[in-house]
Amino acid sequence: EVLLLESGGGLVQPGGSLRLSCTVSGFTFRGYAMSWVRQAPGKGPECVSGINGGGDGSYYADTVQGRFTISRDNSKNTLYLQMNSLRADDTAIYYCAKGGGPTTYYFASWGQGILVTVSS
Amino acid sequence: ETVLTQSPATLSLSPGERATLSCRASQTISSYLVWYQQKPGQAPRLLIYDVFNRATGIPARFSGSGSGTDFTLTISSLEPEDFAVYYCQQRVNWPFTFGPGTKVDIK
Repeated sequence: EVLLLESGGGLVQPGGSLRLSCTVSGFTFRGYAMSWVRQAPGKGPECVSGINGGGDGSYYADTVQGRFTISRDNSKNTLYLQMNSLRADDTAIYYCAKGGGPTTYYFASWGQGILVTVSS
Repeated sequence: ETVLTQSPATLSLSPGERATLSCRASQTISSYLVWYQQKPGQAPRLLIYDVFNRATGIPARFSGSGSGTDFTLTISSLEPEDFAVYYCQQRVNWPFTFGPGTKVDIK
């Protein structure tokens, strides 16, 4: 069974930082692209960042470019998202999502999501 | 950025009826169109990838079609568990954008 478990969310002040983690099991982690997809309250999903299976290619939405960094540790089956200079409009549920292959970015499996709230 | 528009915004139907959902892209996306279903309080669930390929465990009443810029998700006969929000997503170029969604609710 494919499992993805996010952690590290919570309440942070504007300008602050958080690091999200996603620990996975049930599949060969290095064989799949991984992504962070967020969903603000009442809104549709937004692809925030993606990274290929080998970890040597990554993508960022314009809204987070320069503030967020995606990474993965294939030895630990873990995906990360370092979020700096957080803003109120970063408030959302953040999902970790498994791709369809090493460079294939549809989201075949999702974690349960973790809430990030940016507020003073 | 490729913008996806979905229509209608809301579709009110009864169980057993056929649902036809549309997704239009602002530029050609070949066959790189994906559909998800989302229910309240849950993560989206992959239904169909690359226009017409059903994901594992997805019933045959869900089907996808289209190419280029115009795509359709069809639910042949609505079951009670199908009332949800449906999103399309393109994966041809980054950022991999989603449409705004179509809500299928009970008439």
